[in-house]
Amino acid sequence: EAGVTQSPTHLIKTRGQQVTLRCSPISGHTSVYWYQQALGLGLQFLLWYDEGEERNRGNFPPRFSGRQFPNYSSELNVNALELEDSALYLCASSRWGYTFGSGTRLTVV
Amino acid sequence: AQTVTQSQPEMSVQEAETVTLSCTYDTSESDYYLFWYKQPPSRQMILVIRQEAYKQQNATENRFSVNFQKAAKSFSLKISDSQLGDAAMYFCAYRSYYGGSQGNLIFGKGTKLSVKP
Repeated sequence: EAGVTQSPTHLIKTRGQQVTLRCSPISGHTSVYWYQQALGLGLQFLLWYDEGEERNRGNFPPRFSGRQFPNYSSELNVNALELEDSALYLCASSRWGYTFGSGTRLTVV
Repeated sequence: AQTVTQSQPEMSVQEAETVTLSCTYDTSESDYYLFWYKQPPSRQMILVIRQEAYKQQNATENRFSVNFQKAAKSFSLKISDSQLGDAAMYFCAYRSYYGGSQGNLIFGKGTKLSVKP
């Protein structure tokens, strides 16, 4: 069984730009969760999608958004990038348990 | 809102010895799940152990066991016979039992475990 896959693995963007991160869940998993892991801050919950709908949202500004497609894959979009958006972005999929991808390392310069 | 606190930013253990990582949480719910995740330098979050709050028996997975004290809202992880491969960040996490709008995991800030040969 393939695990949760995220792309790209690394990304460097300039402040003010926009970025799209992608996540493919384990086959059969309908829920996708996005987390931000900034240095020293642990994992902060960003977004939760299930069956194509946004179910919950963490305490992040509206420039963080996303969507889930009919095949349950998901995108996380971040507009107007700021330096503090530099972090590891982790995606997890869930049916009864949570499986995480290896993350996308975003650096904003 | 639920919170998870890991009071030990860093811990160190000698190979083959035992170490206990602490976690406390705050919730008004009676039913929930608790987890310990391991994150090695590869960044992959790996589930170590899971505990359902309605179960009185402490969960065990090989060398990993927990001490779940529901009244004290404490959930510590014991690693026995520590191995070099156990070196990683360890995160304690909480999830509401009923899911709904609270179906996401809530994480502590993590404990960095070093294993000395």
